[in-house]
Amino acid sequence: AQSVTQLDSQVPVFEEAPVELRCNYSSSVSVYLFWYVQYPNQGLQLLLKYLSGSTLVKGINGFEAEFNKSQTSFHLRKPSVHISDTAEYFCAVILLSGNTPLVFGKGTRLSVIA
Amino acid sequence: GEEVAQTPKHLVRGEGQKAKLYCAPIKGHSYVFWYQQVLKNEFKFLISFQNENVFDETGMPKERFSAKCLPNSPCSLEIQATKLEDSAVYFCASSQIPAHGYTFGSGTRLTVV
Repeated sequence: AQSVTQLDSQVPVFEEAPVELRCNYSSSVSVYLFWYVQYPNQGLQLLLKYLSGSTLVKGINGFEAEFNKSQTSFHLRKPSVHISDTAEYFCAVILLSGNTPLVFGKGTRLSVIA
Repeated sequence: GEEVAQTPKHLVRGEGQKAKLYCAPIKGHSYVFWYQQVLKNEFKFLISFQNENVFDETGMPKERFSAKCLPNSPCSLEIQATKLEDSAVYFCASSQIPAHGYTFGSGTRLTVV
């Protein structure tokens, strides 16, 4: 079975500073990878996904992530954060077949401080 | 529509009462998924459908939870005889190609008192 580990439960960062949210996964077979964002009292919004091709994936709101197969990682980065980026961020994986459900990490709370 | 519509947004039930949640998937999406998000932010998969057929129910508590996706009706998740531990936000998602990701609704917050 697949699993996702988000190493940091909370990440405080000053406005305009860079940020990296870490995600590692475990799977015996190849997976697709996702980052979702959840703003307070809202649903999940897809930030970006890796299906194939370039290992550097660009998403919405200036976020990007890099797939590293050898390290089984898919870390999320943004070079300069805004107050509006304060939210919960979830890394998720799914088998290429899609026959089992999307599996989520426990989330990382990003708090941007003015 | 272009969004997954979940109703109601909030639901309060006394312990032992029934709760019914609804989800209208995006038009053209044949897969529907239900997840439960508890206080620690963990997403627990409950059940999925391909059209009106159960696709995967491995996460579904057998005793009090049931779900349906019938033609020309919103999908539903029903909890009979709610317990305090059922308090959570229930998310519905839909997809045309599950491996390429899901689109989530805004959730229904169930509070059992």
